[in-house]
Amino acid sequence: EVQLLESGGGLVQPGGSLRLSCAASGFTLSSYAMSWVRQAPGKGLEWVSGISGSGSNTYYADSVKGRFTFSRDNSKNTLYLQMNSLRAEDTAVYYCAKDTSVVLSSWSDGMDVWGQGTTVIVSS
Amino acid sequence: DIVLTQSPGTLSLSPGERATLSCRASQTITSNSLAWYQQRPGQAPRLLIHGASSRATGIPDRFSGSGSGTDFTLTISRLEPEDFAVYYCQQYGTSLYTFGQGTKLEIK
Repeated sequence: EVQLLESGGGLVQPGGSLRLSCAASGFTLSSYAMSWVRQAPGKGLEWVSGISGSGSNTYYADSVKGRFTFSRDNSKNTLYLQMNSLRAEDTAVYYCAKDTSVVLSSWSDGMDVWGQGTTVIVSS
Repeated sequence: DIVLTQSPGTLSLSPGERATLSCRASQTITSNSLAWYQQRPGQAPRLLIHGASSRATGIPDRFSGSGSGTDFTLTISRLEPEDFAVYYCQQYGTSLYTFGQGTKLEIK
C-alpha cells in the first residue's frame, strides 16, 4: 500500500526552528517529485515547496523562500522540511504529497497520494 | 506566480442536484495542467481530476472537469451526501504550484 507518514510537528516559539519528516512506503521514492502543502486553521491549501525525484531541483513559495529547506534521502525513503525563522503565520497542518511525475511540471498529473499531516504551532 | 480564483466561495445545493464550480487563472495554464481536489472535514485532500478533464483512479463518473486556457469547471452531475466538502483547483503548469482558495459545497 502506498503511504506517506509525516512527523516532527509541535509547538515552537517565533524565530525558532523545526524539522518535519515524511516517511514514504509502497513505491519507489526516487521516481517521483514530492511537495509539502500546508493548511492554516480554517483556511485553504497553500503549496509550500516541491522537490524533484533526484533532489537536484527544489522550489519554494515566496512566503517561505530563504527560511525553509526541502531535502530528501531516497535511500531512507524519507523527505525532510527544515523550517527556520518560524513565524506565527507558519502555524498550519503540513501535508506531504506525492506527485505523479519525477519533476514538478506540466508532465505531472497532479498529486495523487497525501499523508494525514502534522501540526505546527508557532506561538510564544 | 499563477493566481487561481475560485467561485463561488460557498455553494448551497441539495442531494441529487447538479453542482458547477469555477476556477479562473491569472494567465494561461500550460497544457491544461489543472487538477481538482476534494477535502472532507478532518481529512487530507483527494485528487479528483487532472489535466483539466481526466478523472483520477477510482473517482466516480459523476465528477467531470472541463475548460482550457484560463477558465476551468468542475461539475458534479448528481450530488451524493458524501460530496458535500471543500473543493480546490491547483495548477501545475509551472514548477511553482498554486491552489485556488476553495469552494465549500454545503447541503441546502
